[in-house]
Amino acid sequence: DAMVIQNPRYQVTQFGKPVTLSCSQTLNHNVMYWYQQKSSQAPKLLFHYYDKDFNNEADTPDNFQSRRPNTSFCFLDIRSPGLGDAAMYLCATSRSTEPSTDTQYFGPGTRLTVL
Amino acid sequence: DAKTTQPNSMESNEEEPVHLPCNHSTISGTDYIHWYRQLPSQGPEYVIHGLTSNVNNRMASLAIAEDRKSSTLILHRATLRDAAVYYCILGQYNFNKFYFGSGTKLNVKP
Repeated sequence: DAMVIQNPRYQVTQFGKPVTLSCSQTLNHNVMYWYQQKSSQAPKLLFHYYDKDFNNEADTPDNFQSRRPNTSFCFLDIRSPGLGDAAMYLCATSRSTEPSTDTQYFGPGTRLTVL
Repeated sequence: DAKTTQPNSMESNEEEPVHLPCNHSTISGTDYIHWYRQLPSQGPEYVIHGLTSNVNNRMASLAIAEDRKSSTLILHRATLRDAAVYYCILGQYNFNKFYFGSGTKLNVKP
């Protein structure tokens, strides 16, 4: 089945130690999104890629970066994780950047713990 | 940002219909109304979306008010597997934005 895959499902890192989360998709979608979801809160959009074009949300901290080496893969890099970055990180895809009409397909998420 | 307002939680009995309300008084003419749900320990999944007319699919129905300032997601026969957080979202045309509201946690009782 075509899907959005996130690895690992659970990640533990130390305060200040860089960490990378990965996402892959078999849907061949143009757009890939990264969301942060803290406990009991709604997902919050961090940034998205339309093909190779990177689009950052205005309030996304510089500590968060992303790479998309090809259509299938997208990475979330947290350069110096703080305790406040502990959260579920969700990857999603869509065919186009017209979210008013397009469906987003989400992966299962990676739960990040910062010690 | 377009905002949606939902009750924090609702409860339903199994096999009964559930009506989940959402207010979106600042909606513009080109904004679509989306509903997603998030089961425990999973990513959100698409439920339904619409613009002006009521919509039906295999999962649910979406009833949109005539002035579009509110909508209701209808689950026709709730099952225990429908227990989840349901998010009402406005898809803002030309803004590439997809902001989740706070969501309604649905509890389904056997």
